[in-house]
Amino acid sequence: GQQLNQSPQSMFIQEGEDVSMNCTSSSIFNTWLWYKQDPGEGPVLLIALYKAGELTSNGRLTAQFGITRKDSFLNISASIPSDVGIYFCAGSYNTNAGKSTFGDGTTLTVKP
Amino acid sequence: NAGVTQTPKFRILKIGQSMTLQCTQDMNHNYMYWYRQDPGMGLKLIYYSVGAGITDKGEVPNGYNVSRSTTEDFPLRLELAAPSQTSVYFCASSFDRVIEAFFGQGTRLTVV
Repeated sequence: GQQLNQSPQSMFIQEGEDVSMNCTSSSIFNTWLWYKQDPGEGPVLLIALYKAGELTSNGRLTAQFGITRKDSFLNISASIPSDVGIYFCAGSYNTNAGKSTFGDGTTLTVKP
Repeated sequence: NAGVTQTPKFRILKIGQSMTLQCTQDMNHNYMYWYRQDPGMGLKLIYYSVGAGITDKGEVPNGYNVSRSTTEDFPLRLELAAPSQTSVYFCASSFDRVIEAFFGQGTRLTVV
């Protein structure tokens, strides 16, 4: 099956620092999604990317769909304490009944 | 807006017992999914449905069953609970051809 490698596994940063995480796949995707999960909650969609090379921002978050269609990255600028959580990438084919393959997550800790 | 509602939030089962995890959504989404999340891991797809009366296996279907008699409801059945089924279960839904999924808050299941 498809494999997603998400890195880093965890990050400990100071408030105000920028953060970068990425996902690579063994096969191509038509869509990349980035979710955030707070403790005890379900994942919430942050950014969706539909086109190779696409760069999309959502506030302090920026994500890119890699040109090869096998990778994506997420940047968070000027981190704040509420950025704490687990960030998941997910890849999918639009025609694949919406099924997504998830990475194992990046756990972000922000020190005030 | 209720979104995706899962019940119960927590459950402890003995080995061999059965139970049904309930999921309902009020967004009129055709697509619904069940995922499991093991500690430190991403989400693995158990079953999915593209509409009422239609279900299909995901990546890890063994030990589970589903039904989709209405658009709103997508229950997940465990027939003979095993310790390997200890996990957090998430139900999700999405629009046709739009794969951003809306997740419920999860059911934390422990099998002892």
